[in-house]
Amino acid sequence: DGGITQSPKYLFRKEGQNVTLSCEQNLNHDAMYWYRQDPGQGLRLIYYSQIVNDFQKGDIAEGYSVSREKKESFPLTVTSAQKNPTAFYLCASSPGLVKARKNTGELFFGEGSRLTVL
Amino acid sequence: KQEVTQIPAALSVPEGENLVLNCSFTDSAIYNLQWFRQDPGKGLTSLLLIQSSQREQTSGRLNASLDKSSGRSTLYIAASQPGDSATYLCAVRLGTGGFKTIFGAGTRLFVKA
Repeated sequence: DGGITQSPKYLFRKEGQNVTLSCEQNLNHDAMYWYRQDPGQGLRLIYYSQIVNDFQKGDIAEGYSVSREKKESFPLTVTSAQKNPTAFYLCASSPGLVKARKNTGELFFGEGSRLTVL
Repeated sequence: KQEVTQIPAALSVPEGENLVLNCSFTDSAIYNLQWFRQDPGKGLTSLLLIQSSQREQTSGRLNASLDKSSGRSTLYIAASQPGDSATYLCAVRLGTGGFKTIFGAGTRLFVKA
């Protein structure tokens, strides 16, 4: 089945630790995204990538880092510089806008990873 | 700056009732509008996608409409069921067709058996 796989589902971090959240997709999508979700708020964009070896900061990139070495993979590292990392993290993908003749721009999401700081 | 608002924040209805969820946005220059469903502790599931040039989309008991001029979209759910209980989110992709999507905070729906 095509889809987006996030792991781990639950993660606990101690103060001062870096942690990495995995996101893999087999939808052959060019674009991938990381969002953060906090209770009662809309999703906020952390980073996005339009193509391999390229990524851009979103609205709340401070304290986070990403890489895009393969089309299928877009891992997110939550660094110790992120002061309030406890949240639900969602990875998404969409077809690239520059290639498809009929690109709807539809977003597809993974199941999410919940990070808790101890 | 595009803002997306969903009203009400929470809604409780008896099973079988038809209901409407509202989404409003401040800038009519959008690329598309997407409705999602989110169950507790889960990711977002796409329900309906309306392109900028379209007025509505239908899937089963769901119908979504789009009125760009007034900055509004509605999600109509017919004959609601307890299994429809979830949070429904509206998301607007900016009109440049770029990679920015703005999400509403969602409407939490509870359908009572």
